[in-house]
Amino acid sequence: QQPVQSPQAVILREGEDAVINCSSSKALYSVHWYRQKHGEAPVFLMILLKGGEQKGHEKISASFNEKKQQSSLYLTASQLSYSGTYFCGTESNNDMRFGAGTRLTVKP
Amino acid sequence: GAVVSQHPSRVICKSGTSVKIECRSLDFQATTMFWYRQFPKQSLMLMATSNEGSKATYEQGVEKDKFLINHASLTLSTLTVTSAHPEDSSFYICSASQTGAKGYTFGSGTRLTVV
Repeated sequence: QQPVQSPQAVILREGEDAVINCSSSKALYSVHWYRQKHGEAPVFLMILLKGGEQKGHEKISASFNEKKQQSSLYLTASQLSYSGTYFCGTESNNDMRFGAGTRLTVKP
Repeated sequence: GAVVSQHPSRVICKSGTSVKIECRSLDFQATTMFWYRQFPKQSLMLMATSNEGSKATYEQGVEKDKFLINHASLTLSTLTVTSAHPEDSSFYICSASQTGAKGYTFGSGTRLTVV
């Protein structure tokens, strides 16, 4: 089963913040976050393992609530380069499934 | 970092022909590779899990006789689209994970167009 991502799309001005949510109905081993630019392969951003952790990567961070089977990706002080489609990938039973994606557009 | 090489990047074929897509882990061994399909503006849909030395595990609704997967070595998995039809036109992408590493590395994808 695919995880559910929200929102489907978001438009920001440069410097604004955004939150992307990902939830699953299955018990998760880990949550992965990827960003995909148009016509390119997804690029790995970070992985969160079960244990309820929060990780950061420059101005992009994420949290993972194992009990709720939810993860959130936080983008702060967004830059133009952040534009793209963000996918969460949930890992359980040795497979990886992706949410429908959140299309993020950062405008000057 | 881990690199996954996928080719061809683009292929156009005629209806009824077969196309083979290769996915190779360049600097690590991958006992498991995943094959996904992505339609425009949609998510990556898992097609099958490729296991080295054993049969692939296909997702429900994916025809195993149409999408042949071979994972003959720890560094190579292939996806063959047999008797391709226009509705098979899509972006196919593989991914693999290095043992003990974090995250999955994706190949660059193959855009298949069946005419």
